[in-house]
Amino acid sequence: VQLVQSGGGLVKPGRSLRLSCEASGYGFSFDHHTMHWVRQAPGKGLEWVAGISWNSGSIGYADSVRGRFTISRDNVKGSLYLQMNSLRDEDMAVYYCVKALYEYGDYVGDVFHIWGQGTVVTVSS
Amino acid sequence: EIGLTQSPGTLSLSSGERATLSCRASQNIDISHIAWYQQKPGQAPRLLVYGASRRATGIPDRFSGSGSGTDFTLTISSLEPEDFAVYYCQHHSIFGPGTKVDIK
Repeated sequence: VQLVQSGGGLVKPGRSLRLSCEASGYGFSFDHHTMHWVRQAPGKGLEWVAGISWNSGSIGYADSVRGRFTISRDNVKGSLYLQMNSLRDEDMAVYYCVKALYEYGDYVGDVFHIWGQGTVVTVSS
Repeated sequence: EIGLTQSPGTLSLSSGERATLSCRASQNIDISHIAWYQQKPGQAPRLLVYGASRRATGIPDRFSGSGSGTDFTLTISSLEPEDFAVYYCQHHSIFGPGTKVDIK
């Protein structure tokens, strides 16, 4: 069972980028679990970005990205997305998609269980 | 918002030694919401311990978590070469700054 990420790259400040994350493997139960995006700036620690509950009924964002980023999911496709608009220098990081440990929770109080391989987002003019 | 601090920032030890990593919260927290992660260079983090003391699937029993209230500890009973890494504690949406365990 794994999460395969795509969509990173080099983008100019103020532009947009969309990250994708696809679950694969038998028994992954993607549609039972909250999913998150967590990022790590170069040489820095981990920062939670956004989370979305199993049925998209509960969504949350870090203050640093609220109003600019949108998290969404497609349970039929087993996919998670992060639409990033108005990108800033400080958004440059490795972005990880993460599956929560527990089933049927909301995005609060989660344990970050299965991590994708990470995708690099570089913001530079 | 609850803050997390970790100490020490860096821990220099030899293989076979015991590592004790600390995570302190700015106020009392529910132990069910404390987790620890290991991250090696160039890799994604890996869940080690959750609920303060429950090991994730496949994690060796040399890793153990404990604590309550505001003070939590991750202990590695006898360091193996593959354990040299950065360790993060986490509560809800907040991660601690990490403790680097490196080779003495």
